Amino acid sequence: DAGVIQSPRHEVTEMGQEVTLRCKPISGHNSLFWYRQTMMRGLELLIYFNNNVPIDDSGMPEDRFSAKMPNASFSTLKIQPSEPRDSAVYFCASLTWVAGGKPSEQYFGPGTRLTVT
Amino acid sequence: TQLLEQSPQFLSIQEGENLTVYCNSSSVFSSLQWYRQEPGEGPVLLVTVVTGGEVKKLKRLTFQFGDARKDSSLHITAAQPGDTGLYLCAGTNSNDYKLSFGAGTTVTVRA
Repeated sequence: DAGVIQSPRHEVTEMGQEVTLRCKPISGHNSLFWYRQTMMRGLELLIYFNNNVPIDDSGMPEDRFSAKMPNASFSTLKIQPSEPRDSAVYFCASLTWVAGGKPSEQYFGPGTRLTVT
Repeated sequence: TQLLEQSPQFLSIQEGENLTVYCNSSSVFSSLQWYRQEPGEGPVLLVTVVTGGEVKKLKRLTFQFGDARKDSSLHITAAQPGDTGLYLCAGTNSNDYKLSFGAGTTVTVRA
């Protein structure tokens, strides 16, 4: 299995530009999570989807951030307009449900390092 | 404010020494997980503990969940350079599967 795939791995953009981060979860996984990691705030959950439906977006910082999951194999996190304080590593993770209705572990992608100048 | 406080923030030791990382909270969690993250990669799950007082061993790593399910520790015996990384604890509640992460402990094991 290829694991969770994220693209791009690195993104450098200027303040005010639109940024789109992409994630392909592990095939068969039906829950997907977007996290942001910074030195100051650590690893924070931004939003998660269950069966392509957003369940909890309370971690999304502000209206400049939006996330979509048009199908089971693809999700995007968009920042428009981007600001220097958005600089961070953004991770996508996915999980499936095992026997007994319990979640499996979360499998993380390699992350996208975003730098906004 | 993080729900889970990890200490120490940084730890640098010589190969062969032992180390302990702590994860504390004022909240009760239904389960607690430990992850290790290497530079340029995402966190990888090491263990999940679910029962108060539970102790799990993974080779040279020993994980303990506090009796009240508010704290946990990770102990590494005879550390090796390959143990170098960022160790993260994360808690979850029975109502959902959202993870709340601690800030992490950066461990460096010198050869």
